[in-house]
Amino acid sequence: DTEVTQTPKHLVMGMTNKKSLKCEQHMGHRAMYWYKQKAKKPPELMFVYSYEKLSINESVPSRFSPECPNSSLLNLHLHALQPEDSALYLCASSQDPASYEQYFGPGTRLTVT
Amino acid sequence: DQQVKQNSPSLSVQEGRISILNCDYTNSMFDYFLWYKKYPAEGPTFLISISSIKDKNEDGRFTVFLNKSAKHLSLHIVPSQPGDSAVYFCAATSRSTGANNLFFGTGTRLTVIP
Repeated sequence: DTEVTQTPKHLVMGMTNKKSLKCEQHMGHRAMYWYKQKAKKPPELMFVYSYEKLSINESVPSRFSPECPNSSLLNLHLHALQPEDSALYLCASSQDPASYEQYFGPGTRLTVT
Repeated sequence: DQQVKQNSPSLSVQEGRISILNCDYTNSMFDYFLWYKKYPAEGPTFLISISSIKDKNEDGRFTVFLNKSAKHLSLHIVPSQPGDSAVYFCAATSRSTGANNLFFGTGTRLTVIP
């Protein structure tokens, strides 16, 4: 299995909602990432988990809360988002934190109304 | 400030000809470079990479060239096929900034015309 899966594919939420994005990989990778990509922009790193521990938080607002329940799963909990948070949220994994090659999921298209 | 730049937003090439996608970077600490390909509604797919200790890496129809003095790399696809039509992202990183912190360019949309 060489796939990173993300659910849901699309999500529309209001500014007062609480929702979660889910990412899963079964490649035995020990590093997982969340990226945010706005239209016509490159992906921007949000969080890095290394061996299930948060190792990088790129100054992301607290309304985004990551969680890594185990080595295969990565969640992104969303609360009180703003319309400008609407974007494609990409999950990726790599064999370990020192590996350069990252493998991406298809992303969740989030719209905040 | 964009540390990795792809100045051509789009490129069209005839099937069978060579596609050349270019990428420039500003951070001299970058020591590893990657190319990703992205189809609509899918995540980026890793294509090929190169370490700064090399100036060329080849994998089938795909070759990446690195010119460290010019801080420039390019991806050559020969021969181009219609299935290569996608957005190509260049990315860079370094051990000093954290190997897993990839800096992406804005992408080049390649269209291969049958």
